[in-house]
Amino acid sequence: KNQVEQSPQSLIILEGKNCTLQCNYTVSPFSNLRWYKQDTGRGPVSLTIMTFSENTKSNGRYTATLDADTKQSSLHITASQLSDSASYICVVKHGSSNTGKLIFGQGTTLQVKP
Amino acid sequence: DSGVTQTPKHLITATGQRVTLRCSPRSGDLSVYWYQQSLDQGLQFLIQYYNGEERAKGNILERFSAQQFPDLHSELNLSSLELGDSALYFCASSPTSGGYNEQFFGPGTRLTVL
Repeated sequence: KNQVEQSPQSLIILEGKNCTLQCNYTVSPFSNLRWYKQDTGRGPVSLTIMTFSENTKSNGRYTATLDADTKQSSLHITASQLSDSASYICVVKHGSSNTGKLIFGQGTTLQVKP
Repeated sequence: DSGVTQTPKHLITATGQRVTLRCSPRSGDLSVYWYQQSLDQGLQFLIQYYNGEERAKGNILERFSAQQFPDLHSELNLSSLELGDSALYFCASSPTSGGYNEQFFGPGTRLTVL
């Protein structure tokens, strides 16, 4: 079954600290993996997109890694800010056809406290 | 602002009723996707349209239907509504279908079924 699992489910950190969110997937065939940030009640916003040949991709203070062999990804947030408080969703594009079908994880809810 | 617009922002209705959600994709995008996000579940892919034609189907109930019009806007019709249909409904768009396309999400329509 094609699934995306994320951990932890929720996380509280202090402003200025770093954190790492984890994602494991069993989607096959694999096309690409995305990380989205979703503020409460708003639409998700893309942070990174990686294909199987990309190991690391950065977007400002966000760095995503991908290990296609172990089917694991992580999102590292550096020097967290209060505005980083949001849900972070790992999403895998199923690679079987020319469609945009995405498989979403349940998300990790991050709360950054002052 | 992603460039994707959705109306209405909020919708409150009763069980058994029918509603229509509307989505206008970003200028130039040919693909439109619909997603459902319930409180206890992550984002669930419902259906994708590409240039007016259905391209992919996800976990969309038979009571739900969608279409994409010649001007590329899309509508999601929900009928015989049940309490469990209460959710956030997101529309996303991308330039083409599948592959590496980034999907841009709209602000969502919050549907409450009483």
